[in-house]
Amino acid sequence: DAGITQSPRHKVTETGTPVTLRCHQTENHRYMYWYRQDPGHGLRLIHYSYGVKDTDKGEVSDGYSVSRSKTEDFLLTLESATSSQTSVYFCAIRDPTGGVDTQYFGPGTRLTVL
Amino acid sequence: AQSVSQHNHHVILSEAASLELGCNYSYGGTVNLFWYVQYPGQHLQLLLKYFSGDPLVKGIKGFEAEFIKSKFSFNLRKPSVQWSDTAEYFCAVGKSNYQLIWGAGTKLIIKP
Repeated sequence: DAGITQSPRHKVTETGTPVTLRCHQTENHRYMYWYRQDPGHGLRLIHYSYGVKDTDKGEVSDGYSVSRSKTEDFLLTLESATSSQTSVYFCAIRDPTGGVDTQYFGPGTRLTVL
Repeated sequence: AQSVSQHNHHVILSEAASLELGCNYSYGGTVNLFWYVQYPGQHLQLLLKYFSGDPLVKGIKGFEAEFIKSKFSFNLRKPSVQWSDTAEYFCAVGKSNYQLIWGAGTKLIIKP
């Protein structure tokens, strides 16, 4: 267990509303990631962060923004949610312990956009 | 393009059968290779990983994987599956920029 929590765990919202998902880690890892998981697509990287206030886009970043004002928190915001953003969202951290960069995942947030 | 291919999207086996899930990758750099498992309704958990040394890697729950560099493959194996192995399995390749390239996953169903 890498000490990662996500909130909320489930959310139902309506098209056009803003949504913020939170990822919290307790072990001071520098790198954090946001993925979405959809059937048949595996995991797709939305955004990642390599330090406080340092973020970059992944392969499916359109419609999403992120912020990292503290090491322990990485926020994912959907400025105006659309039905295509209905998905399960996972946060991950990178742990370089032992010389192999390994990602560990949080429990996920199931988001439904009606 | 960099990619990871998992050959089977769905696999159905009976208990005690042997398992092999295929994973091939297309990436030109030095690779770190991973298998993750996702049990129904849960998050992804690391099964095993390879970064160097012995190409046969042993992981948790009796799983192992073999890295064959010449074939760009990292197949997952288990000699005798159990009903509790029902899950989705993901292969991933680590890039030099600390990102992972993911396969689409293989759903494994074990019949009791």
